[in-house]
Amino acid sequence: DTEVTQTPKHLVMGMTNKKSLKCEQHMGHRAMYWYKQKAKKPPELMFVYSYEKLSINESVPSRFSPECPNSSLLNLHLHALQPEDSALYLCASSQRGGRDGYTFGSGTRLTVV
Amino acid sequence: QKEVEQNSGPLSVPEGAIASLNCTYSDRVSQSFFWYRQYSGKSPELIMSIYSNGDKEDGRFTAQLNKASQYVSLLIRDSQPSDSATYLCAVNRNTGFQKLVFGTGTRLLVSP
Repeated sequence: DTEVTQTPKHLVMGMTNKKSLKCEQHMGHRAMYWYKQKAKKPPELMFVYSYEKLSINESVPSRFSPECPNSSLLNLHLHALQPEDSALYLCASSQRGGRDGYTFGSGTRLTVV
Repeated sequence: QKEVEQNSGPLSVPEGAIASLNCTYSDRVSQSFFWYRQYSGKSPELIMSIYSNGDKEDGRFTAQLNKASQYVSLLIRDSQPSDSATYLCAVNRNTGFQKLVFGTGTRLLVSP
């Protein structure tokens, strides 16, 4: 299995809703990442988990809350989002600290209304 | 100065031509370099990785690295319309907390 699976593929949520994005990989990778990508911009790193511990938080607002229940799963909990948070949210995983590159999931297209 | 810089394009080439994409980076301790292809609305796909100075070839793709000049390039030979996409240069800083930093991407258009 060489895939990173993200669900859901599309999500529309109101500003008062609570929702979660899910990511799963079975490649034995020990590092997992959340990226945010706005239209015509490169992916921007949000969080890095290494061996199930949060190692990097790129000053992301607290309305985004990551969770890594085990080495194969990564969640992103969303609460009280703003319309400007609408974007493509990408999950990725890597081995060896990313020296061989990251494998990205297909992403969740999030729209906040 | 941005960590990873690319010309945003678009770079327009005719079918069958060689497309040349360039990237510069600022962090001298970077050790791993990647090219990702991203079609509109899709996620990035890794197409080339390079770690040592020189050229690395894979099919129609050749990556070139010059660490002294802090320069990475991607050549696409016999360009096809299906190569039309945004190409993202990415650099991994292998010290401290490692993270992949992307350039802004170059949009490539291959016309039939």
